[in-house]
Amino acid sequence: AQSVSQHNHHVILSEAASLELGCNYSYGGTVNLFWYVQYPGQHLQLLLKYFSGDPLVKGIKGFEAEFIKSKFSFNLRKPSVQWSDTAEYFCAVKGDSGYALNFGKGTSLLVTP
Amino acid sequence: SAVISQKPSRDICQRGTSLTIQCQVDSQVTMMFWYRQQPGQSLTLIATANQGSEATYESGFVIDKFPISRPNLTFSTLTVSNMSPEDSSIYLCSGMTGGGYGYTFGSGTRLTVV
Repeated sequence: AQSVSQHNHHVILSEAASLELGCNYSYGGTVNLFWYVQYPGQHLQLLLKYFSGDPLVKGIKGFEAEFIKSKFSFNLRKPSVQWSDTAEYFCAVKGDSGYALNFGKGTSLLVTP
Repeated sequence: SAVISQKPSRDICQRGTSLTIQCQVDSQVTMMFWYRQQPGQSLTLIATANQGSEATYESGFVIDKFPISRPNLTFSTLTVSNMSPEDSSIYLCSGMTGGGYGYTFGSGTRLTVV
């Protein structure tokens, strides 16, 4: 079955620490990959997306993600987190058999001062 | 990108009643979707709202419980019918633009059934 897995459910980091959130998917065929962020009390916002081309994708707020096709992975990274990055992060995949996004369970990130 | 206004933002409802959630998009979107986000869980797709025809429901969701309308390309409603406490959740709508190159989300409706 098609699925999206986020390995880290809760992450706590100090400011200036580096961040990497894992995302793996089990889809055959072509995929479009997304990372969304949900700040407390706010709606989902797109951080970055990958459709084709350079597998290293840069997004907003200093985030980037790398698509590794052989590993079915799309991990999110940020070299130095800030307190304002405290939020819920969702990986999402669109396969080639439909139009809706399939989301991972999310990772709750807490950045401490 | 398109902006979605979702109403109400939150509601507390009695069991056995129904609530209709509305999503208005400020531009036409090709497809709209409804999700449920239970506490500590991911977003689960309820259905795809099709303009001018019946919605397409995912396994575990039925039209009698979650009737959906989409009369045009900028508006959709989801009704949660005959509510029970298990329906307490956040409900989100989403619109797709550009053949799957862009997705936008409403701000969600936090529903509590007592």
